[in-house]
Amino acid sequence: EPEVTQTPSHQVTQMGQEVILRCVPISNHLYFYWYRQILGQKVEFLVSFYNNEISEKSEIFDDQFSVERPDGSNFTLKIRSTKLEDSAMYFCASSVTEGGTGELFFGEGSRLTVL
Amino acid sequence: AQSVTQLGSHVSVSEGTPVLLRCNYSSSYSPSLFWYVQHPNKGLQLLLKYTSAATLVKGINGFEAEFKKSETSFHLTKPSAHMSDAAEYFCVVGFSGNTGKLIFGQGTTLQVKP
Repeated sequence: EPEVTQTPSHQVTQMGQEVILRCVPISNHLYFYWYRQILGQKVEFLVSFYNNEISEKSEIFDDQFSVERPDGSNFTLKIRSTKLEDSAMYFCASSVTEGGTGELFFGEGSRLTVL
Repeated sequence: AQSVTQLGSHVSVSEGTPVLLRCNYSSSYSPSLFWYVQHPNKGLQLLLKYTSAATLVKGINGFEAEFKKSETSFHLTKPSAHMSDAAEYFCVVGFSGNTGKLIFGQGTTLQVKP
């Protein structure tokens, strides 16, 4: 069964360092997303991406964050200068149709720890 | 504003007894409603979804949920719990025309005792 894969599963970094989280969405999916979950809090939407551009982003997704689909298979989330409060589980997801009413397929998550 | 509230962050049942996980939503629009499950060290998996068709929705692994507009509820049920149902369950709201910004409840951890 096709699945969304994410790497790394866990990354530890120092505050101020750049981090790139990688995702391989399901191959025939057209819509891509990043969500995050800070420990003990709700899963929160970060950004949606379609047709090589951001469709929507949350207020969390500030200038420190960027997304890219560099080669038609990977979908990356970059955090330019990490802060302590960026520590969270980051989930990548993809879908065939627009996500509001369709099924999103989520990866297992990348846990980011910022020291 | 749209929001989702799951009543009870932790629910414990005995194997073979019914499961009821409660979810209420608040929305200005006609919502799509989902239940996702997350087993330890696994990704979020869709259990079932409601998108304005039948109000009683059947999902995987024997789960079902009923959309009640008058009560703004979408509770998840299963007649008989199995040990493998132990996981975290998320009630989620989405909207047509909304580009994938799903709104999650805080999650309910289901414990199944032998």
